[in-house]
Amino acid sequence: QQQVKQSPQSLIVQKGGISIINCAYENTAFDYFPWYQQFPGKGPALLIAIRPDVSEKKEGRFTISFNKSAKQFSLHIMDSQPGDSATYFCAASSVGGGADGLTFGKGTHLIIQP
Amino acid sequence: DAGVIQSPRHEVTEMGQEVTLRCKPISGHDYLFWYRQTMMRGLELLIYFNNNVPIDDSGMPEDRFSAKMPNASFSTLKIQPSEPRDSAVYFCASTNPSLASLIVEQFFGPGTRLTVL
Repeated sequence: QQQVKQSPQSLIVQKGGISIINCAYENTAFDYFPWYQQFPGKGPALLIAIRPDVSEKKEGRFTISFNKSAKQFSLHIMDSQPGDSATYFCAASSVGGGADGLTFGKGTHLIIQP
Repeated sequence: DAGVIQSPRHEVTEMGQEVTLRCKPISGHDYLFWYRQTMMRGLELLIYFNNNVPIDDSGMPEDRFSAKMPNASFSTLKIQPSEPRDSAVYFCASTNPSLASLIVEQFFGPGTRLTVL
């Protein structure tokens, strides 16, 4: 059972454009929603995270939008750059908000074309 | 700090052989996680420890898989006997949740790429 569904599977965006990746979850016990970025040959690294008591969190060019009633959250990358080309994973956890194991989406392979 | 250290980085073995993957978490981190990444299934949690004690092993696929954490600075994931479908990248991650922060970052190691022929 896939508890976190992520789309699209792959995404091509022109440099300077906005990249949008969407995720939906099923388990209402989830209370922590991080996004991880992974470059080829490397382990995932935390990009940005949000808790359900806020609807939006912005860090630089990266923004998470969170809709608790719809059980959906999304990552927006503004002014996308070639260096943003990577695989992005949404994730969720409960019971301690991240101190337990993460349930990951399947990932989005993002390519930013110069 | 050197970050999470995993060894070996690459492992190629024959079906039926025993495989042992090793992980050294970041010093001071009291949570350790083992994940597996494949193209088909993505990133999956296998097991995690808190203060060297296994907390949730529901993701371990079958009895061929076992994990131990004999002390705070070392963990192993063992597959015996290995099968071709075990081929994947295995990641170890660690964290130390802070009451002062709402963000809990799991720090991932570089992974071990396992190929079972």
